[in-house]
Amino acid sequence: GNSVTQMEGPVTLSEEAFLTINCTYTATGYPSLFWYVQYPGEGLQLLLKATKADDKGSNKGFEATYRKETTSFHLEKGSVQVSDSAVYFCALFSGGYNKLIFGAGTRLAVHP
Amino acid sequence: NAGVTQTPKFQVLKTGQSMTLQCAQDMNHEYMSWYRQDPGMGLRLIHYSVGAGITDQGEVPNGYNVSRSTTEDFPLRLLSAAPSQTSVYFCASSHRQGRETQYFGPGTRLLVL
Repeated sequence: GNSVTQMEGPVTLSEEAFLTINCTYTATGYPSLFWYVQYPGEGLQLLLKATKADDKGSNKGFEATYRKETTSFHLEKGSVQVSDSAVYFCALFSGGYNKLIFGAGTRLAVHP
Repeated sequence: NAGVTQTPKFQVLKTGQSMTLQCAQDMNHEYMSWYRQDPGMGLRLIHYSVGAGITDQGEVPNGYNVSRSTTEDFPLRLLSAAPSQTSVYFCASSHRQGRETQYFGPGTRLLVL
């Protein structure tokens, strides 16, 4: 079945460091891929998405490229800020059941 | 535009009690879903609806009921709460066109003693 695997956290970085959070998926067909972010005490917010192979999603300095050949959708940011501290979820959309399939989440902590 | 709203924000129940988690959206979205979030497991789909009067089960439906009498509301009922239902519950909605982009509510934290 469809599944998403993302790197375990927590990831701890200093401000202005480079961020990579790995995400790989298993799916039939070509699902849409997403990154959601959950700030402390809040619900999930859509961060970025890509709907087909080689698409690059970007938002707020974050980027992720849909790589069909490696079934990956890694999240990157060139220079993180303390305000980026949150839990990041990679997800794919399973159209047959109208559901998002989530990875376990990766907690990011950025310190000054 | 309030988006997706959920009430209550936090609830404590005793084993065996029942309750309803409320979810409403004002975006005229056809699709609505309930997820639960547990540590280390991401979010899992409980039930979903593709329109008023139509609901279906997700991957973890046992112990929960839903109904969809209006486009706006999608309540989740716990019939007889169990400690295993301690979790954070999120409601989400999406438009039929572009249904893969889901908008989430702020969540309800439930503790079952």
